[in-house]
Amino acid sequence: QVRLVQSGPEVKKPGASVKVSCKASGYTFANYDINWVRQAPGQGLEWMGWMNPNDDNVASAQKFQGRVTFTKNTAVSTAYMELSSLRSDDTAVYYCARVLNWGLAYWGQGTLVTVSS
Amino acid sequence: SYEVTQPPSVSVSPGQTATITCSGHQLRDKYACWYQQKPGQSPVLVIYQDSKRPSGIPERFSGSTSGITATLTISGTQAMDEADYYCQAWDSITSHVTFGGGTKLTVL
Repeated sequence: QVRLVQSGPEVKKPGASVKVSCKASGYTFANYDINWVRQAPGQGLEWMGWMNPNDDNVASAQKFQGRVTFTKNTAVSTAYMELSSLRSDDTAVYYCARVLNWGLAYWGQGTLVTVSS
Repeated sequence: SYEVTQPPSVSVSPGQTATITCSGHQLRDKYACWYQQKPGQSPVLVIYQDSKRPSGIPERFSGSTSGITATLTISGTQAMDEADYYCQAWDSITSHVTFGGGTKLTVL
């Protein structure tokens, strides 16, 4: 079955960077885009962007352009999201999700990133 | 980018029908999806391509669209359906994603 397993919680200082991983299993990693979505405490879902593991094509929400980088390691079926210049309002749970039929059908368990001095 | 708008909260009695709407001018041309999220859990896709139900999602969940409004309907609402619900649309040109602000469904 399809599984997305994310890396563990992170605590970072303002101005630092964080890199979250998302290990995929149960399907051919290159065949499906990986989306990244975040959720601040008590807030709604916020789309950050996606990456196509087959051709490295990416798209990101305008809000994060210049600050977010999507990469992957096909050999270990893992996608990565790196967010730089962290601020306190970047404190959130970060999710990876895989598309199926125009829906985000499979989600990772989420990674809590806390930004605090 | 564009926005889609949901009511912040909806209340329903057990066994009744809950209706959650999502409005946005771009919905006329784009598929809508719906997600259920319970506290401390990852979102779960309950409706995709406006009205299709993934396997494992109960039949009481249905979706529809008309003009610029997508609607999630839960028939015979159960206490277990109490959750936050998010609509989501795709921009078919840029493949960007937009989420609605979420609707808290309370089953009284």
